[in-house]
Parts: sequence; structure tokens; C-alpha cells
Amino acid sequence: ILNVEQSPQSLHVQEGDSTNFTCSFPSSNFYALHWYRWETAKSPEALFVMTLNGDEKKKGRISATLNTKEGYSYLYIKGSQPEDSATYLCAPWNDYKLSFGAGTTVTVRA
Amino acid sequence: DVKVTQSSRYLVKRTGEKVFLECVQDMDHENMFWYRQDPGLGLRLIYFSYDVKMKEKGDIPEGYSVSREKKERFSLILESASTNQTSMYLCASSSSRGEQFFGPGTRLTVL
Repeated sequence: ILNVEQSPQSLHVQEGDSTNFTCSFPSSNFYALHWYRWETAKSPEALFVMTLNGDEKKKGRISATLNTKEGYSYLYIKGSQPEDSATYLCAPWNDYKLSFGAGTTVTVRA
Repeated sequence: DVKVTQSSRYLVKRTGEKVFLECVQDMDHENMFWYRQDPGLGLRLIYFSYDVKMKEKGDIPEGYSVSREKKERFSLILESASTNQTSMYLCASSSSRGEQFFGPGTRLTVL
């Protein structure tokens, strides 16, 4: 079982503010890192699949960076909106499967 | 529109019953997965399959078995349900190392 840590466990953000949070994972035998967004009463949906060290991906106001050498990834939300409220999961891919972190739950206050 | 469907959204069973959870995907994906989600623990992998009739144990396979007779269908079986198997069960599929597509989940309660 890979040790995947996400911090913080939860955070509250004022609407319009920007925020970021971290995913840490073992750097050895790295293949890919996935980020998913999981909204209440819905299924997890993929945000990014990242493979290269230094990779940076963006989707709207959400972006992510990847450091495979030190084993971490940051996810950024710029100008948070209420619809960004969700749990964000990261998961490194290894041995045909993903190992999910426990997630960071973001609550955006209007 | 890609789809992963699960046979039930909510299920209530009694201790000792045999429980079948079905998952079907229409994307011709090789890989299929069963997870359970419990508060504070994230998604934990129970079993996965990377081909028809192939199965691999995940992180928490005890008390579960699976069946993959056709590419599009992956079944999770609880041979004798217990109260500690009360959980949300999610099925997913993917091609190679690509993103996983999740079903809507089955909330199972074992009384």
C-alpha cells in the first residue's frame, strides 16, 4: 500500500480567495499522478493526469504542478467559487492501480 | 457520453446474506476496479481486473470476491455480509493508466 498524504484534511475559503493544498507520495517507481474532484452526491471526476516532472496542468481556475523527484503535487484554485466546494483526491498510479489519498475537502463560503 | 453504471444506488441486507454488486461500463475499457469509501479513509481498493477472467487483490480484499466473465461487466460479491461491510461502494473503469471513470456508487447497509 502506497503512503499518500494530503494536507490539509479540510479548509474553508472565502468566495473570491485563492487557495492551494498538497499531495505527497513515494517518489520511487513513479508512473503518473491523478487528481480527482468529488462533489457531494456525485461520483469522482478526473481533473488531471500528470506524468512528467515539472508538469503543470490547468483547467479553468484550477491548476496543478508536479514534482516527481521529491514526491509532491500542489493543486491551486484561483478565485474560489461556491461550485468549487468538493473533496479533492490525489492518487499515484503504480502496479496497474491507483492509491488514493484521504482527500482535501474544500468549502467555499459565499 | 461515457457511462459506468451500478446495479443499485441503495441496498439493505442482513448479516450473513450473499450480496452481489454489479458494474457495467460501455467504454470498452480493459481495467475495472471496485472501491469502498468510508468517512476519513478515502477510497480504498478492494479488487481490480485488467482483463476478462483476470482479477487482482487490492488493499482490502478480505470478505470479498469478484467476477469478470465479460469485458464490460465486473461484479463484486460479499459471500456472507457483515455489519463492517456497511459502506459506499464505487466501481470504476479505465484504459491503461488513463483516468478512471466512476459509477454513481452503491450505498450498502448491512443490518
